[in-house]
Amino acid sequence: GIQVEQSPPDLILQEGANSTLRCNFSDSVNNLQWFHQNPWGQLINLFYIPSGTKQNGRLSATTVATERYSLLYISSSQTTDSGVYFCAVHQGAQKLVFGQGTRLTINP
Amino acid sequence: NAGVTQTPKFQVLKTGQSMTLQCAQDMNHEYMSWYRQDPGMGLRLIHYSVGAGITDQGEVPNGYNVSRSTTEDFPLRLLSAAPSQTSVYFCASSYSILDTQYFGPGTRLTVL
Repeated sequence: GIQVEQSPPDLILQEGANSTLRCNFSDSVNNLQWFHQNPWGQLINLFYIPSGTKQNGRLSATTVATERYSLLYISSSQTTDSGVYFCAVHQGAQKLVFGQGTRLTINP
Repeated sequence: NAGVTQTPKFQVLKTGQSMTLQCAQDMNHEYMSWYRQDPGMGLRLIHYSVGAGITDQGEVPNGYNVSRSTTEDFPLRLLSAAPSQTSVYFCASSYSILDTQYFGPGTRLTVL
């Protein structure tokens, strides 16, 4: 089946810094989504982005489908950005495959 | 809209006990799914449904049963709980697998 790898596994930054999270996938995909799991465990969808670039406030995402990767950018990080960021892909079956996640810690 | 709701939030079982984790959504979504999340790991798909009366297995289906009698509800049954089923369980829904997934708040299950 398709493999999804996220990097880095952990990232610790100071408030105000910028960060880039990467998601590599092993085959072509129909659908790619980014999620944020906050410290209380809630999973929130950030982007539905099978290709191209999208922006939402301080967050933006780019998926280069032909190169089989997606990037999540967080600018001017805030402590509320802390948590785990997951990417998930859909290839052909009726299921999403999740990466292992990147744990982001933003220190004040 | 309440979105995706899950009950209970926490549950402790003894080995061999059975229970049902409830999941409901009020967005008229056809696609619903159950995931488990273990420490240090991503989410793994247990079962999913593409509509009422239709269910199928995911990556880790053993020990779990599901049914989908209505569009709104997708309960997950543990027939005989085992310590290996200690985990956090998430339910999700969407219009289809190709659409944005919405997650419930999760159920933290401990099996002793």
